Amino acid sequence: AQSVTQLDSHVSVSEGTPVLLRCNYSSSYSPSLFWYVQHPNKGLQLLLKYTSAATLVKGINGFEAEFKKSETSFHLTKPSAHMSDAAEYFCVVSDHGSSNTGKLIFGQGTTLQVKP
Amino acid sequence: NAGVTQTPKFRILKIGQSMTLQCTQDMNHNYMYWYRQDPGMGLKLIYYSVGAGITDKGEVPNGYNVSRSTTEDFPLRLELAAPSQTSVYFCASSYGQAMNTEAFFGQGTRLTVV
Repeated sequence: AQSVTQLDSHVSVSEGTPVLLRCNYSSSYSPSLFWYVQHPNKGLQLLLKYTSAATLVKGINGFEAEFKKSETSFHLTKPSAHMSDAAEYFCVVSDHGSSNTGKLIFGQGTTLQVKP
Repeated sequence: NAGVTQTPKFRILKIGQSMTLQCTQDMNHNYMYWYRQDPGMGLKLIYYSVGAGITDKGEVPNGYNVSRSTTEDFPLRLELAAPSQTSVYFCASSYGQAMNTEAFFGQGTRLTVV
């Protein structure tokens, strides 16, 4: 069964400093992995997805994530935080095993706070 | 370019009342999902559907029902509202079968049961 663990429930950074949001996954199959962002009182927006074509995945708004199979990790990074990055971030794994339902399994979320 | 549309955006229900949360998508996606989001938690899957006429339970189906008579629509029914169903509800759709196909989400329905 697939699962995902976000290692930090809350991350606080200063504007202009790097961002690191950590995610570990468990999957019996080659995983489909995603990062979604949710701004306050908004729906969820896809930041990036792992396509297996490259281990370093670039997303929108300067975010990127690196897939490391040996560490079962898919950490999200950004070189320089912006105030508008303050939001909730979800690491997600998709069910593409034998049942292939496409169900998304969400981590608990990480709240990113950006201080001026 | 509507994507996934949910109605209503907000609703207050009294205990024991019933309601239907509407969800429709215009992307011709076969796969559709209902999630609920509670404070400080990730999203939990309530029900999902892999095509018209096919539905299945997710992680937290108790107290809910769904139907999928068309590809476009996937309504969620609450029969006897309880305070534990106070949550934000998200509908999503995707192509589903291929790996790495992401889900598209509606804007959410904020439901309060009092």
